[in-house]
Amino acid sequence: KNQVEQSPQSLIILEGKNCTLQCNYTVSPFSNLRWYKQDTGRGPVSLTIMTFSENTKSNGRYTATLDADTKQSSLHITASQLSDSASYICVVSLSSNDYKLSFGAGTTVTVRA
Amino acid sequence: GAVVSQHPSRVICKSGTSVKIECRSLDFQATTMFWYRQFPKKSLMLMATSNEGSKATYEQGVEKDKFLINHASLTLSTLTVTSAHPEDSSFYICSASRQGPTGELFFGEGSRLTVL
Repeated sequence: KNQVEQSPQSLIILEGKNCTLQCNYTVSPFSNLRWYKQDTGRGPVSLTIMTFSENTKSNGRYTATLDADTKQSSLHITASQLSDSASYICVVSLSSNDYKLSFGAGTTVTVRA
Repeated sequence: GAVVSQHPSRVICKSGTSVKIECRSLDFQATTMFWYRQFPKKSLMLMATSNEGSKATYEQGVEKDKFLINHASLTLSTLTVTSAHPEDSSFYICSASRQGPTGELFFGEGSRLTVL
């Protein structure tokens, strides 16, 4: 069973609207949580990275939140643009001492005009 | 910012041939690089950790004789798919971190392999 679960699997939103993606994890111990954006046929690009002590981090119109107690994270996209159409991947790092990462399956976002 | 480059971005080969994919860190040195495989609509699967100057560490279930990894320099790792078969067709991605395990992980653009 994947240790990082993302929801929804996919969603469609109208340009200009907001949306929120969810990431629940069971990974333990936990070092940091990352959100990546992956365009179709391209490599992932980092959006945010948060340690367990951080609650929120923003990158332009992208805002990530983290609740380490409930092991939940969200990625909020504000005023969506057509270029936001992509897969958004939640990645959890197990330890600060090695590169063990757990990847979520991603949420595919489609922004329509 | 840091950039990781992969080449080729797309490759088509005949069954039985070998294909080499390169992963370069363009503006930083990476003692450790990672190779992933991604199936459509699925998450990235770590295949192996490439260590400069030493043997790669393969994940369980990944055939090391099938997927040869060489990390000959601090800026280059290569993945060679040997005796490729149609089931090896996939999207292969590499990544590297400039600042160790807690640093930002930069991904290559990916390489789409199609084996006929």
